[in-house]
Amino acid sequence: DVKVTQSSRYLVKRTGEKVFLECVQDMDHENMFWYRQDPGLGLRLIYFSYDVKMKEKGDIPEGYSVSREKKERFSLILESASTNQTSMYLCASSLVWASGLFYNEQFFGPGTRLTVL
Amino acid sequence: GEDVEQSLFLSVREGDSSVINCTYTDSSSTYLYWYKQEPGAGLQLLTYIFSNMDMKQDQRLTVLLNKKDKHLSLRIADTQTGDSAIYFCAESKSSNTGKLIFGQGTTLQVKP
Repeated sequence: DVKVTQSSRYLVKRTGEKVFLECVQDMDHENMFWYRQDPGLGLRLIYFSYDVKMKEKGDIPEGYSVSREKKERFSLILESASTNQTSMYLCASSLVWASGLFYNEQFFGPGTRLTVL
Repeated sequence: GEDVEQSLFLSVREGDSSVINCTYTDSSSTYLYWYKQEPGAGLQLLTYIFSNMDMKQDQRLTVLLNKKDKHLSLRIADTQTGDSAIYFCAESKSSNTGKLIFGQGTTLQVKP
């Protein structure tokens, strides 16, 4: 079974702190994603990565950065946390092609609920 | 443009059928997905349909795709309390990035 793990289930930080959210997948997937989930807004893509050291901005990258030094690990960094970044953060990984077929199932971690005070 | 829309809430009685609807705007989408999120958990793929199909059935789940109207629906037969969750539809194109566009999610409440 694919497993995507996130470093914390709950996190409380203060405004201005630097915050690291870690995500690890164990299935050798090329693609990894960071989303935030807010009620009524669904999932919004922050950043994604399709290879080691490669990253692309999603729909809401402002205030965030990412790091992918190893294939299995994708980190989300809040350089200076603000209260409007209080949210649920979900990490996902996917294998787009398998056995020559377009597949593209994303596998999600359990989420990190971040509160910024 | 890329936009996926869902209604936010649906309430049904146990044993009834549930129908969750979704509209999308990008006619070039190749696959459309339904994901389920149970309380306190991440999303899990429920089912998907390729854009050249009109219908897909998988046990209690039926997916209907109307490409002309860009409308996708998920029908859950004999809805159980364990089906209470948030359901997200999502679309993707055939690309190497694997990017998905998600709707806002529909919270399904199943009353006993």
